[in-house]
Amino acid sequence: KAGVTQTPRYLIKTRGQQVTLSCSPISGHRSVSWYQQTPGQGLQFLFEYFSETQRNKGNFPGRFSGRQFSNSRSEMNVSTLELGDSALYLCASSLFGGVTYEQYFGPGTRLTVT
Amino acid sequence: KNEVEQSPQNLTAQEGEFITINCSYSVGISALHWLQQHPGGGIVSLFMLSSGKKKHGRLIATINIQEKHSSLHITASHPRDSAVYICAVSTLNTDKLIFGTGTRLQVFP
Repeated sequence: KAGVTQTPRYLIKTRGQQVTLSCSPISGHRSVSWYQQTPGQGLQFLFEYFSETQRNKGNFPGRFSGRQFSNSRSEMNVSTLELGDSALYLCASSLFGGVTYEQYFGPGTRLTVT
Repeated sequence: KNEVEQSPQNLTAQEGEFITINCSYSVGISALHWLQQHPGGGIVSLFMLSSGKKKHGRLIATINIQEKHSSLHITASHPRDSAVYICAVSTLNTDKLIFGTGTRLQVFP
């Protein structure tokens, strides 16, 4: 069974631009969660989507948004990029919603904002 | 104070040594996760537990709910175990994962 895939793997953007990252979960998994990892803040929860609905949200500004499609693939969007948005963005999928189910992580997208 | 604390932050060991990484938390949890992150960023879920003890190969994870403490043990450590080990808790009230800052382990031959 194929694992969680994320595209692109690396991305360089300029401050003020917007970016869209994609996550394809393991086949049959209906929940996708997104996380941001930075050297200063570590791993932080962004949001979770389950059956095309945002089920949970972390403490991030409205510039960070996401969506999930009927095939469970998910995208996250960051608008008006800031230098501090440079990070590794990880998604994780699980069978059902909620974090009491085992999370399967993708390889991440490394975003650099210049 | 962070809600999830790990110790030590850094750990070096010789191949074959027994290793223990500790995790303490201050929130109500439904489960605790141990994750492994190799250079390059990919994260692998090692264990998810809500009570007792789990074992997988050379890895053992224990949790004491009353003391709000968990340990990850690696027996007969090997250089390929070199990675960052991250403890995360699934919170009861918010159903989110809160992560510790990680323990960087280096095992030398």
